[in-house]
Amino acid sequence: EDQVTQSPEALRLQEGESSSLNCSYTVSGLRGLFWYRQDPGKGPEFLFTLYSAGEEKEKERLKATLTKKESFLHITAPKPEDSATYLCAVPNSGGYQKVTFGTGTKLQVIP
Amino acid sequence: EPEVTQTPSHQVTQMGQEVILRCVPISNHLYFYWYRQILGQKVEFLVSFYNNEISEKSEIFDDQFSVERPDGSNFTLKIRSTKLEDSAMYFCASSGGQNNEQFFGPGTRLTVL
Repeated sequence: EDQVTQSPEALRLQEGESSSLNCSYTVSGLRGLFWYRQDPGKGPEFLFTLYSAGEEKEKERLKATLTKKESFLHITAPKPEDSATYLCAVPNSGGYQKVTFGTGTKLQVIP
Repeated sequence: EPEVTQTPSHQVTQMGQEVILRCVPISNHLYFYWYRQILGQKVEFLVSFYNNEISEKSEIFDDQFSVERPDGSNFTLKIRSTKLEDSAMYFCASSGGQNNEQFFGPGTRLTVL
C-alpha cells in the first residue's frame, strides 16, 4: 500500500531561521509528488509538482527537491506569513486518480 | 485566476438526514475529486470522477455516498443518511489532466448532530 510519512510533525522557527521539511514515500512507480500548503480551515493550496529524482522547484522562499525515496521542502529565511501546515502527496501506483496525503508538518514562524 | 468554489461553507445536519455538498470545478478541467479531512487528521481521498463516471473510489466511499455532475458546471457529493462520524471538512478538487496537479476548493465543514 502506498504510504507517505512527513517529519517533523511540528516545527517552530524564528523569523529568518532556515530549515527543511521531510516527506518519505513508499510507492511502486512514482508518477510525481505534490507539495501543498494548508492554512487552518482552508483547502490545500498547490505549491509544486516534482516528477523525477534530482528535480528541484522554487517559489519565493520555498524550494522542493526529490530523491528516489524522499522529498524535502527547504524554507529559506522564513517569515511569519509562511506559517501553515505543509502537505506532501503522491498519486497512487495505479495513476493519478487517487492521491495519498501525508499528515503534514505544521510550521510556525515566530517574529 | 480560476478557482474551485464550494457551497455551503458550513452545513449542520441531524444524524440520518441526507446532505448534498456542491462544487464548481475550474471550467476547463476534466477530472474531479472529493476528499475529506476529519479535524486534526490527514486529507483522505474519497472518489475521482471523469467522463461522467466514477474512475476510482476509496473504501470510505460506501453505498451511502454518491457523486453527480448534473450539468456542465456543478459537481456534487451526496451523503444519503449521515452518521456522526461523517463530521469533517469535505474538499472538492479538479485537475486539467490525469497527470496534472489538483486544485482544491475552500471546503465545506459538515457537522452531524
